[in-house]
Amino acid sequence: QSVLTQPPSASGTPGQRVTISCSGSSSNIGSNTVNWYQQFPGKAPTLLIYTNNQRPSGVPDRFSGSKSGSSASLAISGLQSEDEADYYCASWDDSLIGYVFGTGTTVTVL
Amino acid sequence: EVQLVESGGGLVQPGGSLRIACEGSGFTFSSVWMHWVRQVPGKGLVWVSRINPDGTNVIYADSVKGRFTVSRDNAKNRLYLQMNSLRVEDTAIYYCSRDVFGPRQWGQGTLVTVSS
Repeated sequence: QSVLTQPPSASGTPGQRVTISCSGSSSNIGSNTVNWYQQFPGKAPTLLIYTNNQRPSGVPDRFSGSKSGSSASLAISGLQSEDEADYYCASWDDSLIGYVFGTGTTVTVL
Repeated sequence: EVQLVESGGGLVQPGGSLRIACEGSGFTFSSVWMHWVRQVPGKGLVWVSRINPDGTNVIYADSVKGRFTVSRDNAKNRLYLQMNSLRVEDTAIYYCSRDVFGPRQWGQGTLVTVSS
């Protein structure tokens, strides 16, 4: 059902850099901004990145976002054990006339 | 501090109805767009609906269109989701979210279970 495609999993050792991709289309990422959300098990999602690459106050600068064409990426630099969580991209879709979320990526710290 | 608190979830039979609510505080509720998003436990996030500040513009995901109705009472800082003709596949945690460049702050969610 999700129109934004993410890899189901990503992993890295502490201190490594991990990148999560989010593939969309011209009707969503291609023409609208992208947000990224972090979600821990049993908890509500929290905003990690908004408007492609902006961090809300309190979000460490280890997290960064980028967008190119109809795709977006979230990078986690200096991976830490507390970064183990699910990550979702999201964007408005002009064709569906609604908000769409990515399929989600589970990040594991080895 | 922005707070959103959902309430009203529970067990309902297929074909039944349920209304859940979301109370906002710590911000000017009447000035913001609001979203409902749901999540089957263990699965991904699915957008349900968005409502504008004065409640005159509401859009829905196709999966709930014609069955769900979103409204708000700005005097009470409350957002509502009226769910009718509920189906087993509507079982999920329902979150409300305040819109600032998309869903920003989220409530803790309320679980709606549709089962006989």
